[in-house]
Amino acid sequence: DTEVTQTPKHLVMGMTNKKSLKCEQHMGHRAMYWYKQKAKKPPELMFVYSYEKLSINESVPSRFSPECPNSSLLNLHLHALQPEDSALYLCASSQVHLVTGGNSPLHFGNGTRLTVT
Amino acid sequence: GNSVTQMEGPVTLSEEAFLTINCTYTATGYPSLFWYVQYPGEGLQLLLKATKADDKGSNKGFEATYRKETTSFHLEKGSVQVSDSAVYFCALSDPIETGANNLFFGTGTRLTVIP
Repeated sequence: DTEVTQTPKHLVMGMTNKKSLKCEQHMGHRAMYWYKQKAKKPPELMFVYSYEKLSINESVPSRFSPECPNSSLLNLHLHALQPEDSALYLCASSQVHLVTGGNSPLHFGNGTRLTVT
Repeated sequence: GNSVTQMEGPVTLSEEAFLTINCTYTATGYPSLFWYVQYPGEGLQLLLKATKADDKGSNKGFEATYRKETTSFHLEKGSVQVSDSAVYFCALSDPIETGANNLFFGTGTRLTVIP
């Protein structure tokens, strides 16, 4: 069982809809991430939060809006998406270490499979 | 810059065969290296990791050794099972100044094990 929980598992939305993806972890991790994965491709980083503050935005279009309400929760708000945004959206979390942060593995949820019609 | 080059798939093996999936990397500094596995319809699971040169990561019969001289981190398993069928990703770390960790992934290798 994964320790990072993502809801919903599947989402179908029209291009004019507004929806949100949710992610929760209770491992005490203070870094949380959103990745996008297209079919047969590796995950691509979208956003990183460290201590509930946005630290990386990989030039993601503004129709994707992340939010980190507390240390356990991470949301991704979606608005006016395009069909090419259809993908598996993965949330991950990790420990934060200023010196050895690179040693910390990321723990991934099972993802939300998003289809934009 | 950082990059990971991973053996192209797909790879098809018979049960109990020996598995090798090649992974080489380019990095500034001394990254940590990871192998992740993705089963159909699921997210990525950490399989093993190594944080410095000559470290060997191992888990569930899989092994990989961090080779600085050849910049490689090849994944091996002596006897694969049908349940090992999945996509395997090699990744290297790119620490973020806040103490978080970004991962550069290889393209993934799809393994199918037939009975």
